[in-house]
Amino acid sequence: AQTVTQSQPEMSVQEAETVTLSCTYDTSESNYYLFWYKQPPSRQMILVIRQEAYKQQNATENRFSVNFQKAAKSFSLKISDSQLGDTAMYFCAFMKRGAQKLVFGQGTRLTINP
Amino acid sequence: EPEVTQTPSHQVTQMGQEVILRCVPISNHLYFYWYRQILGQKVEFLVSFYNNEISEKSEIFDDQFSVERPDGSNFTLKIRSTKLEDSAMYFCASSYSGTSGRLGYEQYFGPGTRLTVT
Repeated sequence: AQTVTQSQPEMSVQEAETVTLSCTYDTSESNYYLFWYKQPPSRQMILVIRQEAYKQQNATENRFSVNFQKAAKSFSLKISDSQLGDTAMYFCAFMKRGAQKLVFGQGTRLTINP
Repeated sequence: EPEVTQTPSHQVTQMGQEVILRCVPISNHLYFYWYRQILGQKVEFLVSFYNNEISEKSEIFDDQFSVERPDGSNFTLKIRSTKLEDSAMYFCASSYSGTSGRLGYEQYFGPGTRLTVT
């Protein structure tokens, strides 16, 4: 069975700073996908970024980028030039290729301070 | 941009009662999911649904739970006889495809229904 671990329950940074959220996972699969979801206080979970395990290049979406280390089973999220609107719960998630089930980490509560 | 919607946003029910949580997935999506999040715990997969049948379910999804797509737009989760431990946030999600097609595997979530069992 796959497990996802986010070791930082809470983080807090100042606006415009860069912050990195950690995620590690455990799997015996070689083909899978990794995701970061953001859940603002309004509760809707929004997909931030995705990474296919077969791709060596790290995914980037505007201010959001990942550091995917397949051998280490690590998938961290970097938020550059953080904004107040980035305040949210962030979930790391794993999905085996061909499956439908997302396996989530515990989440990291990120607060961006003005 | 299309969104997954869920109703109600908050449901309070008494132990032993039946509840139905409703979801409207994104219109061209083919796969539908329910997840739950007990307060302070991880988001957990309950069930996936495709082509009018369950395609995968977790050990949590026992005989007390059922899902249905009663028409072309709604997707429902029924809990037949609620227990205190069913209190949680229930999230519906949908995706175009559960396979490896580009962007097809991404799941889009609704805002959730908070279920409180008293």
